[in-house]
Amino acid sequence: EAGVTQFPSHSVIEKGQTVTLRCDPISGHDNLYWYRRVMGKEIKFLLHFVKESKQDESGMPNNRFLAERTGGTYSTLKVQPAELEDSGVYFCASSQLGGENSPLHFGNGTRLTVT
Amino acid sequence: AQSVTQLGSHVSVSEGALVLLRCNYSSSVPPYLFWYVQYPNQGLQLLLKYTTGATLVKGINGFEAEFKKSETSFHLTKPSAHMSDAAEYFCAVIRSGGYQKVTFGTGTKLQVIP
Repeated sequence: EAGVTQFPSHSVIEKGQTVTLRCDPISGHDNLYWYRRVMGKEIKFLLHFVKESKQDESGMPNNRFLAERTGGTYSTLKVQPAELEDSGVYFCASSQLGGENSPLHFGNGTRLTVT
Repeated sequence: AQSVTQLGSHVSVSEGALVLLRCNYSSSVPPYLFWYVQYPNQGLQLLLKYTTGATLVKGINGFEAEFKKSETSFHLTKPSAHMSDAAEYFCAVIRSGGYQKVTFGTGTKLQVIP
């Protein structure tokens, strides 16, 4: 089966610009998660979708971040306008079920650099 | 709330030597504990996990970890390091009964010296 795919793998944008990251989960996985790692720090939870519904978006930093999962398939994470502190690696993960016994499958991440 | 502390952001071992990566956790409820590995330019991959039952868990690539409740630790070990083990390792915790809202440690980069 195809794994979790993220696009683009790298993005370099200027402060104030808009960037949209995309995640395609494994087919059939209802649960989709976004995580972020700012340079040198821990990987932090951003939000969790079940199908198209946001179950938990407590980790979203501020209202410049907007995540969507229309149709319950792929998801996008938009940053508008981007700030310097948004630089980091954004990971997407998916799982078939929501519980702890359902393995999380991670994508390779999108490295975002805001200059 | 739960948290994870990984001691040492960088660890170097000689090829063939013991690998020991330390992890301590804090959780108000019984935790589920994980170790993930990230190879260069790849995503995170699950090495092993502890949920319930046997406290010594074995994972892929010869790694194992022991859950010690009294010490609130979940250290990762491998008897003999291989060059291919060079990667970044993350200890992680979730609340039992919860979904996969994972709390990660800051990661430990393992360097294997030939």
